Amino acid sequence: EVQLVESGGGLVQPGGSLRLSCAASGFTVSSNYMSWVRQAPGKGLEWVSVIYSGGSTYYADSVKGRFTISRDNSKNTLYLQMNSLRAEDTAVYYCARSPYGGNPKTYFDYWGQGTLVTVSS
Amino acid sequence: EIVMTQSPATLSVSPGERATLSCRASQSVSSNLAWYQQKPGQAPRLLIYGASTRATGIPARFSGSGSGTEFTLTISSLQSEDFAVYYCQQYNNWPGYTFGQGTKLEIK
Repeated sequence: EVQLVESGGGLVQPGGSLRLSCAASGFTVSSNYMSWVRQAPGKGLEWVSVIYSGGSTYYADSVKGRFTISRDNSKNTLYLQMNSLRAEDTAVYYCARSPYGGNPKTYFDYWGQGTLVTVSS
Repeated sequence: EIVMTQSPATLSVSPGERATLSCRASQSVSSNLAWYQQKPGQAPRLLIYGASTRATGIPARFSGSGSGTEFTLTISSLQSEDFAVYYCQQYNNWPGYTFGQGTKLEIK
């Protein structure tokens, strides 16, 4: 059974840093494309970042240069390092799996339960 | 960036009736469109991909249609568990995956 469990969210001051984790089970993270998608309180979904099976990474313009996506194959875990956090980064962050790793034109078939990041002084 | 626009923002329908939700892309996305359902406090759930293919375990009352820039999600006979927010997502233009702003389906 595919499962994604996020952790690492919390309250952080503007300009601070946080690292989110997404522990996967039931599949291998390095074989699939993996993304982070966020949802600000009461708002819609916003794609944040993706790491392709080959290791290429991409980011939304809103987080480029501040966030870094990575994975640890030995732990089967996805990460999102978030630096220089702003109030507008406040959101629930979901990790999401794409069903395969061979086509970048992809959707998200499994989602974690999300972890809340609040950026406030 | 491809902008996805969903309409209406809120749709009020009675249980047992049909619901039709629309999604429009600012440029063609071919059939590279997915639909998700999200209930309060829960993660989104994949309903439809490829514009018209139901995901595993999704009831047949959910159907998707369209291609290019105009898409529709139809729920043929609304059940109580179907009242939720629905999002479309394009994945033709990668890696800039974009979502619509959502349609809230509420009980009339």
